[in-house]
Amino acid sequence: NAGVTQTPKFQVLKTGQSMTLQCAQDMNHNSMYWYRQDPGMGLRLIYYSASEGTTDKGEVPNGYNVSRLNKREFSLRLESAAPSQTSVYFCASSELGPRVDTQYFGPGTRLTVL
Amino acid sequence: EDQVTQSPEALRLQEGESSSLNCSYTVSGLRGLFWYRQDPGKGPEFLFTLYSAGEEKEKERLKATLTKKESFLHITAPKPEDSATYLCAVQAGRGSTLGRLYFGRGTQLTVWP
Repeated sequence: NAGVTQTPKFQVLKTGQSMTLQCAQDMNHNSMYWYRQDPGMGLRLIYYSASEGTTDKGEVPNGYNVSRLNKREFSLRLESAAPSQTSVYFCASSELGPRVDTQYFGPGTRLTVL
Repeated sequence: EDQVTQSPEALRLQEGESSSLNCSYTVSGLRGLFWYRQDPGKGPEFLFTLYSAGEEKEKERLKATLTKKESFLHITAPKPEDSATYLCAVQAGRGSTLGRLYFGRGTQLTVWP
């Protein structure tokens, strides 16, 4: 099992450009998440999808859109990139267990917006 | 407001020098507390889940404990390969936040030979 995979690994954009970050998981998990990680701050939730066909805003959703394409794939789109969106983006997936749902993370996408 | 605070921000240990990392939290209806390890340039790697006060879990040189207000990650006789950033996260159990993780900023651990 590859777990959670993300593409691309690195990306440089100019202000105003758009792009889509891709995420896929092969663990048959129902829930998927997008986080951003900035220096000196904890991981912050952008959007999540509790199950196929549903998406909800997290802590910092402004400037982003998401699509839950199917059970395996969850993409994050930046319509008009801004320098403030320079960050490392992580996708995660989880399955609700009897007590909690443990999230498993991908390797990340390092995005720079000039 | 749910909050997670980790201390210290950075910790340098000599190989074999045991120590502890702290994670204090305030959350409404704790469902679970998680510890992750993150190596430079990689995603967080799951280590432990703790569910209730008094619980302990161990993995090699690491032992995680939980009280009603905080968790400790004890590192016994660390080795250089234990160098990483250790992240703490809590999962609340109420309403629309169900399932969300709230992360601390992490403790960057360096173990030198």
